[in-house]
Amino acid sequence: DAGITQSPRHKVTETGTPVTLRCHQTENHRYMYWYRQDPGHGLRLIHYSYGVKDTDKGEVSDGYSVSRSKTEDFLLTLESATSSQTSVYFCAISGLADQETQYFGPGTRLLVL
Amino acid sequence: KNQVEQSPQSLIILEGKNCTLQCNYTVSPFSNLRWYKQDTGRGPVSLTIMTFSENTKSNGRYTATLDADTKQSSLHITASQLSDSASYICVVSADDYKLSFGAGTTVTVRA
Repeated sequence: DAGITQSPRHKVTETGTPVTLRCHQTENHRYMYWYRQDPGHGLRLIHYSYGVKDTDKGEVSDGYSVSRSKTEDFLLTLESATSSQTSVYFCAISGLADQETQYFGPGTRLLVL
Repeated sequence: KNQVEQSPQSLIILEGKNCTLQCNYTVSPFSNLRWYKQDTGRGPVSLTIMTFSENTKSNGRYTATLDADTKQSSLHITASQLSDSASYICVVSADDYKLSFGAGTTVTVRA
């Protein structure tokens, strides 16, 4: 998985609780992304980062926030989890020289009850 | 809106047989098209990439084709193996580096 780890790998939580997912990379890549994957849908971009402290919204950003204080870490926070946020979340990275080639982490399976 | 449609949604084939997956897209302006393989419980891994000028690309038993005029691509798996059981995702990149993902085709190879 190209030097990308995600934690936790599985999580069950209750509606209304905050949840933070972590993505850690050892490749020193500039770009980092958070996607969600749901049955019948392609991967959908939540947020992405183009450098430390530089982030932007994707197509499904409502209810999510992100932070990137170090090159290697990209955090995704669900401020108040809802059942519609039950999904598999993937982190991806890409380098400056080849931004379109994204390498994906192993995923985090989140269940919101 | 940029869209990527894949068919079939799923298919079952016997080990050793061939199969072909389809991808139609409306992404514009087009930059490149990739096929990813996603094993159960893992992240997607890139199989092939094709730019506008390329119409075929192979990676072992996987052969991808691209018709940029009709905006169609296919992924052909030759002599399937049990390890080919996975989801195959078509991803199209526009000039602004934004990616559009298909929903994937789930392939099950049976002995």
